[in-house]
Amino acid sequence: NAGVTQTPKFQVLKTGQSMTLQCAQDMNHEYMSWYRQDPGMGLRLIHYSVGAGITDQGEVPNGYNVSRSTTEDFPLRLLSAAPSQTSVYFCASSLQVPSNQPQHFGDGTRLSIL
Amino acid sequence: KNEVEQSPQNLTAQEGEFITINCSYSVGISALHWLQQHPGGGIVSLFMLSSGKKKHGRLIATINIQEKHSSLHITASHPRDSAVYICAVIPGNQFYFGTGTSLTVIP
Repeated sequence: NAGVTQTPKFQVLKTGQSMTLQCAQDMNHEYMSWYRQDPGMGLRLIHYSVGAGITDQGEVPNGYNVSRSTTEDFPLRLLSAAPSQTSVYFCASSLQVPSNQPQHFGDGTRLSIL
Repeated sequence: KNEVEQSPQNLTAQEGEFITINCSYSVGISALHWLQQHPGGGIVSLFMLSSGKKKHGRLIATINIQEKHSSLHITASHPRDSAVYICAVIPGNQFYFGTGTSLTVIP
């Protein structure tokens, strides 16, 4: 049972490049979410999904796109990378909307934009 | 605007000490979570609370909904407890996180 798998673990991009951060879970979880973690600011929600075909914006969605074509996968796309997007990105999932459900986190992707 | 405030930001304790980390929030919530982030970066869920108190091993979490306050206690602290402890609240479908409390337990 792999849990939540994020790839890649590390990535360096140049300003203006695009890329996709992958997130997959094998627990049949309906709720999936993406966060960024910056020093002194804590985790902030970028986008989330309550099920396949349904996505919504979080606290800091600008510059990021998501889609949820299957229950298992929730990729995060950076369309035109900017230095302000340098951060550590975490994907998480839970069985349902996480009012009383434990969140399962991936190991994170450390992204640097030059 | 910070919906979630944690204190202290940093905490150093001697092994065996009783530790308390506090979390205050300003929004109505359906639940509060305590998370642990290991030095290597991995994040695990410790507790989910909507009322009262929960205990798991040496960790105890309490919540007072009326006062919008939660505490995480660690009894008989150990160096392996060294980590960042994060409080998160859920007003609806979205988490809001505190900035974390960095705990170092010295042998």
